[in-house]
Amino acid sequence: ETGVTQTPRHLVMGMTNKKSLKCEQHLGHNAMYWYKQSAKKPLELMFVYNFKEQTENNSVPSRFSPECPNSSHLFLHLHTLQPEDSALYLCASSQDPGQGSTEAFFGQGTRLTVV
Amino acid sequence: QKEVEQNSGPLSVPEGAIASLNCTYSDRGSQSFFWYRQYSGKSPELIMFIYSNGDKEDGRFTAQLNKASQYVSLLIRDSQPSDSATYLCAVYLLTGGGNKLTFGTGTQLKVEL
Repeated sequence: ETGVTQTPRHLVMGMTNKKSLKCEQHLGHNAMYWYKQSAKKPLELMFVYNFKEQTENNSVPSRFSPECPNSSHLFLHLHTLQPEDSALYLCASSQDPGQGSTEAFFGQGTRLTVV
Repeated sequence: QKEVEQNSGPLSVPEGAIASLNCTYSDRGSQSFFWYRQYSGKSPELIMFIYSNGDKEDGRFTAQLNKASQYVSLLIRDSQPSDSATYLCAVYLLTGGGNKLTFGTGTQLKVEL
C-alpha cells in the first residue's frame, strides 16, 4: 500500500467511449501528477497540479482532460481516444518542499487499452 | 537537450558486482534528485533521494550528487538478480508555478548469475 490509489487497474475502451481514471492519495500531499508510460518509452509527464491548481500541461491532446477537485483527488477524463493512447497511466503525489521531502509516491497505475 | 538523461542500457553485471547507474540533468536550479526502481509492469518505487553534494548511503545503495557537473549516480553493491529492473532518475524543480518532477528514460539493469 503506497498511499496512492488508482482505479480502475485495467480499462478497455472503444474510440468513441468516454471514461475517467481516478486517483486518490492519503498522504496529505499537495502536488499530484499524471504520467503516461507507453511500451518501451520513458515516463512522460502529462499534468501537474499544485494546491488544486494546474501548473503544468505538457502539450497533451485535448482528448485528455484532468480534474483536481481537491488536494486528495485527481481525475483524468478520456474521450475519443486513439489506439496509440494505449499505455500505463500513473498517478503520483508529492509534498510541498517547504513542508518536508519532495519525493513522489506512485499509484499502481491504470493499464488502458483503446480498441 | 533533454531535461534528464540516462543511458537506456541494458547494463549487465554479474551477481555480486557493483552496478553503476548515471544520470545528467540540464537545469542548474534543480533542487533534489531521486532514484526509482521499476519492475516490468509495475509502478516506480523510490529507492533513494539526495539533496546535497556528495554521497549518501543506504544499505547496498549509494547515491552520489555533483551539482557543479549536473550529475547524479546510483551505485548498487553486491548486485543480486532481484535488482534486475529499470532504474529511473528523477529531478525536482520548483518553478514559478509550483513543483515539477521530471524523469529520465531509465536504465535497464540485468544482474546475471
